[in-house]
Amino acid sequence: DAKTTQPNSMESNEEEPVHLPCNHSTISGTDYIHWYRQLPSQGPEYVIHGLTSNVNNRMASLAIAEDRKSSTLILHRATLRDAAVYYCIPEERGSQGNLIFGKGTKLSVKP
Amino acid sequence: DTAVSQTPKYLVTQMGNDKSIKCEQNLGHDTMYWYKQDSKKFLKIMFSYNNKELIINETVPNRFSPKSPDKAHLNLHINSLELGDSAVYFCASSQDLGRVTYNEQFFGPGTRLTVL
Repeated sequence: DAKTTQPNSMESNEEEPVHLPCNHSTISGTDYIHWYRQLPSQGPEYVIHGLTSNVNNRMASLAIAEDRKSSTLILHRATLRDAAVYYCIPEERGSQGNLIFGKGTKLSVKP
Repeated sequence: DTAVSQTPKYLVTQMGNDKSIKCEQNLGHDTMYWYKQDSKKFLKIMFSYNNKELIINETVPNRFSPKSPDKAHLNLHINSLELGDSAVYFCASSQDLGRVTYNEQFFGPGTRLTVL
């Protein structure tokens, strides 16, 4: 399994962009990169995923380095509701759903 | 409508008791999971079921047994509860891995189990 490194915590001001980094230097060529987040007292929720190209959806953008050894989750305008723990999870195709959650990054958003 | 629901939300019980946590999904998914989140907030997969067959079973004590009466339900039975079983348990579901190219999992709200 690919190992990940994320900052323990980050702070952001409301309405400002947030860049959440993740290093996954041991990722294999076929591993998807998933991002989930867990709001306080809730279950995790899917944010975005990608393989090689940068990806955008209504929640966030995912920028994947050319060598795929790192990725950055971008929240374009942080809101108070975005305060959560963000998990970067490389997933192997055919791993039968075995998502391995690390420690994640706890994002605090200040008004 | 809640996509993945769990009951109960809170469960307080004595050591040695047997308890069950129920999970239901209305998404038509083929695969369901159980995760455990301990006091240090580490989230670990326990089981997954695909079309009524267990496909993942991590190093979980056999006191824990998942039971799936149908595709929409995966209940977690725990026998002889121990203090270390205290945690938040999350149920999740996803599409069958054979038909989609990614594995987005939808999580329930969690069940906080406290063993006294």
